[in-house]
Amino acid sequence: SYELTQPPSVSVSPGQTARITCSGDALPKKYAYWYQQKSGQAPVLVIYEDSKRPSGIPERFSGSSSGTMATLTISGAQVEDEADYYCYSTDSSGNHRGVFGGGTKLTVL
Amino acid sequence: EVQLVQSGAEVKKPGESLRISCKGSGYSFTSYWISWVRQMPGKGLEWMGRIDPSDSYTNYSPSFQGHVTISADKSISTAYLQWSSLKASDTAMYYCARRDKFDYWGQGTLVTVSS
Repeated sequence: SYELTQPPSVSVSPGQTARITCSGDALPKKYAYWYQQKSGQAPVLVIYEDSKRPSGIPERFSGSSSGTMATLTISGAQVEDEADYYCYSTDSSGNHRGVFGGGTKLTVL
Repeated sequence: EVQLVQSGAEVKKPGESLRISCKGSGYSFTSYWISWVRQMPGKGLEWMGRIDPSDSYTNYSPSFQGHVTISADKSISTAYLQWSSLKASDTAMYYCARRDKFDYWGQGTLVTVSS
């Protein structure tokens, strides 16, 4: 079955740039989406279609995709950005089967 | 204002059946897919499947196909996730989410299955 691979954890100091990667064989042909989930809360969409930012999401959040890897970048990470981040995409079977990456715990301290 | 409001927490015994719901408001319910997402305690997100409320066409993850049923009643703007025989391993938080990009999420429904 199709898989998306993320690093389990990323740690940065406040003000530094955090980069979270997501690798998958179908990413050259399929969009990546990114979600932020804080403890005890529902996930929130932060990036869609590789690089688009929903209204209300701070400009420090950006996304990119190249080849089999998508990247979420948080430029000037803030303490409030500490959360779990998940990438999501679909396989290339044509049946639209979605899959989430395993999640990355971002620590900002 | 777009909202997805899910039904309340459930405590069930193994072997029992269950249906949880997700009611959409603030938009045309039949315009966008609704997906269901599982999160087991302390674990990550898992896409279970989705439904097109306009015609009730469904896609399922192979991991969940045959174990759950996704349905919708467009007359009351509500999607459902159903089990015919729960297992302890179904204990999890379940979320519904809208559209291919999951731009809005329900608040989650905690399902606890324990004897």
